[in-house]
Amino acid sequence: DAGVTQSPTHLIKTRGQQVTLRCSPKSGHDTVSWYQQALGQGPQFIFQYYEEEERQRGNFPDRFSGHQYPNYSSELNVNALLLGDSALYLCASSLAGAGLTDTQYFGPGTRLTVL
Amino acid sequence: LAKTTQPISMDSYEGQEVNITCSHNNIATNDYITWYQQFPSQGPRFIIQGYKTKVTNEVASLFIPADRKSSTLSLPRVSLSDTAVYYCLVAPTDSWGKFQFGAGTQVVVTP
Repeated sequence: DAGVTQSPTHLIKTRGQQVTLRCSPKSGHDTVSWYQQALGQGPQFIFQYYEEEERQRGNFPDRFSGHQYPNYSSELNVNALLLGDSALYLCASSLAGAGLTDTQYFGPGTRLTVL
Repeated sequence: LAKTTQPISMDSYEGQEVNITCSHNNIATNDYITWYQQFPSQGPRFIIQGYKTKVTNEVASLFIPADRKSSTLSLPRVSLSDTAVYYCLVAPTDSWGKFQFGAGTQVVVTP
């Protein structure tokens, strides 16, 4: 059983460009959350997708957008990249009906470098 | 979301027990306490979760006092591979996975 997978592993972009990151959730999971982790800091919640809609959102600008497909996979899009967007982008999946514990399983992340 | 406070770093030797205490003074009635472990360039990994008293699994124990204003993650007999950052999270049952991570505690285990 594959866990959460993300692609690409690493990515280098320049300021102003746009980037798309991809995530496949753990088998059986229907909810995908995205986090941004700057160097030396904890992950920061960007948003969460469930039933192909954004269900919750953290304190991130509209340059950050996402999508969830019927097979529960998800994409994170970032427009007009800034140097400060350089970070490890983590995808986490969970099962909406899991109840109170709502344990999340994280992928290995995509390392984005903006030059 | 309840704010958490943990030590920035802790050092230990192999074979010792490591206890990391997290303060969460404004924890709400419907909040659960969850701990994650993260190695460099990897995503966080779930360790343990609890609501009150004591929870134990094959990896760690979680102690939560009656007032629930703090919690302690206990790692028995650590090895070099336990060197990682450990995060304490407090989230309500309806958080739907919207977790707020702090800076975490860097644990370094040496021979």
